[in-house]
Amino acid sequence: SQTIHQWPATLVQPVGSPLSLECTVEGTSNPNLYWYRQAAGRGLQLLFYSVGIGQISSEVPQNLSASRPQDRQFILSSKKLLLSDSGFYLCAWKFAGGYTFGSGTRLTVV
Amino acid sequence: DAKTTQPTSMDCAEGRAANLPCNHSTISGNEYVYWYRQIHSQGPQYIIHGLKNNETNEMASLIITEDRKSSTLILPHATLRDTAVYYCIVSHPQTGNQFYFGTGTSLTVIP
Repeated sequence: SQTIHQWPATLVQPVGSPLSLECTVEGTSNPNLYWYRQAAGRGLQLLFYSVGIGQISSEVPQNLSASRPQDRQFILSSKKLLLSDSGFYLCAWKFAGGYTFGSGTRLTVV
Repeated sequence: DAKTTQPTSMDCAEGRAANLPCNHSTISGNEYVYWYRQIHSQGPQYIIHGLKNNETNEMASLIITEDRKSSTLILPHATLRDTAVYYCIVSHPQTGNQFYFGTGTSLTVIP
């Protein structure tokens, strides 16, 4: 069966510090992978998606970047966090019936 | 660009049917309608999807109008655990590379 792992579950980081969130999937090959962010009280915003190794599409210009170093690994990064980067970050894998989401990382930038 | 319109919030009495509407007047012929829900502080959970025929599974029923410009998600016997934000999304299963989530409908099931 296919599973998606995302960590850490919670993170508190100071302004200006770097960020690295990791997402891995199991039980599938060449998955389409996605990073979403949800600010408090708002809907999900698509940040990046990837259809294969080294292929990244960015939906919104911002302080974040994404990388796909391996088929089943998707990483969200930042060199210097801003207060506005706080939110709930979700990794997702697309299958024919829709998306499977990870459990999310709640990032608080202080 | 969420491509769908949903009411911001709804209440439903426990044990009664919850009917959540969604307008998608610009849906194209090969796009499906998907429903997800998100319980607080968790990732969205898939509920059901359909193209033009009504669909039913163990969680819910999906009723799509004949012109496909709107749909209704039905939770037949709402429980307190169904309190969540419900998202209606339209997308093509193969060529649609992203789901655009709007703000959804916040459903509160009342005891």
